[in-house]
Amino acid sequence: QKEVEQDPGPLSVPEGAIVSLNCTYSNSAFQYFMWYRQYSRKGPELLMYTYSSGNKEDGRFTAQVDKSSKYISLFIRDSQPSDSATYLCAGYSSASKIIFGSGTRLSIRP
Amino acid sequence: KAGVTQTPRYLIKTRGQQVTLSCSPISGHRSVSWYQQTPGQGLQFLFEYFSETQRNKGNFPGRFSGRQFSNSRSEMNVSTLELGDSALYLCASSLGGLAGAGGELFFGEGSRLTVL
Repeated sequence: QKEVEQDPGPLSVPEGAIVSLNCTYSNSAFQYFMWYRQYSRKGPELLMYTYSSGNKEDGRFTAQVDKSSKYISLFIRDSQPSDSATYLCAGYSSASKIIFGSGTRLSIRP
Repeated sequence: KAGVTQTPRYLIKTRGQQVTLSCSPISGHRSVSWYQQTPGQGLQFLFEYFSETQRNKGNFPGRFSGRQFSNSRSEMNVSTLELGDSALYLCASSLGGLAGAGGELFFGEGSRLTVL
């Protein structure tokens, strides 16, 4: 079992829709949770990170962590074609390293 | 401020050969991590170097090795290449390393290796 599981998609939604991206994890030692965005032919870039359970909002993006169910979510409101990318969730523990999910390909249709 | 620079961007090798990839981190960043990205396995951690010392290592065979120089530049080497080594190899730098950076890694655009 992978430490971080993520549906690879692809996920295609119309412009303006609310997008929900989800991950599950198995490592209880994870302290930080992150979402990275990767455009085609580019390296990933950090989108959001959170330290604990709850919600964190940044503009159109909301990251949600539920440690009791080991569930990580990213919501994108008013999605734009420029949001089309691969989204990678990740967990980090001080004992080791950052573990990434395999990524979800998202396409926003104009 | 210049980003993370990886060279070469693309390369083709044959089975049994070896390859060396280079990474120049953002100025001032002392930690360099290497990842392998494939469609099937996603982004997998190879190793992290901090101040010329390997601090963390992923679950890859000994054919994969790396080093970091005093100027924080890093190289990774893969010997006796196999077809399954075909992947995008990404380098990431951070200020304080994985333990202190809160997860913010700055990635390069990667080196795409094809093994024939």
